[in-house]
Amino acid sequence: NAGVTQTPKFQVLKTGQSMTLQCAQDMNHEYMSWYRQDPGMGLRLIHYSVGAGITDQGEVPNGYNVSRSTTEDFPLRLLSAAPSQTSVYFCASSYDSRWNTEAFFGQGTRLTVV
Amino acid sequence: AQTVTQSQPEMSVQEAETVTLSCTYDTSESDYYLFWYKQPPSRQMILVIRQEAYKQQNATENRFSVNFQKAAKSFSLKISDSQLGDAAMYFCAYSSAYGNKLVFGAGTILRVKS
Repeated sequence: NAGVTQTPKFQVLKTGQSMTLQCAQDMNHEYMSWYRQDPGMGLRLIHYSVGAGITDQGEVPNGYNVSRSTTEDFPLRLLSAAPSQTSVYFCASSYDSRWNTEAFFGQGTRLTVV
Repeated sequence: AQTVTQSQPEMSVQEAETVTLSCTYDTSESDYYLFWYKQPPSRQMILVIRQEAYKQQNATENRFSVNFQKAAKSFSLKISDSQLGDAAMYFCAYSSAYGNKLVFGAGTILRVKS
């Protein structure tokens, strides 16, 4: 089983560049989220989705856009990268709308903005 | 908003010994779920253990057990017979039975000495 697949695993961007972090899951989960992980701050929620066509903002949404055109895919877009967006990004999915059961995570994308 | 606090940035344990990682949380709700996730150097997030707040019995999974104190809003993880493979970052997480997100603590790095 592939589970949750994130690409790329590593990326270096220049300030002002744009890019899309890809996330795909093959478990038919309706609920998906994007987190960023920073030292001393744990994982913080950026955006989440409760199904195709429905997204909402999390704790730290500024500078990021998302869309959900299919159940499987939930890409995260950085429109104009800033050094403050240097982080490790995780995509997660769950079949449970309350996230009360096991969440499944991708292996993360380490993004460096120079 | 719910918050999760892990007050120990780093812990060390000797191989075969027992170690306890601390977690406290703040919520006004009575029905919720608590988790411990392990993140080894591979970055993969792995569910270690899950506790349902309405169950008084502490969850256990092989060498991993929790001490859940609902009144004190405390949820510690005990690792018995520590192994080198237990070395990782451990995250405590909370989800509400009425919400739609998973909230993480800052994490504790566990080092295992041989």
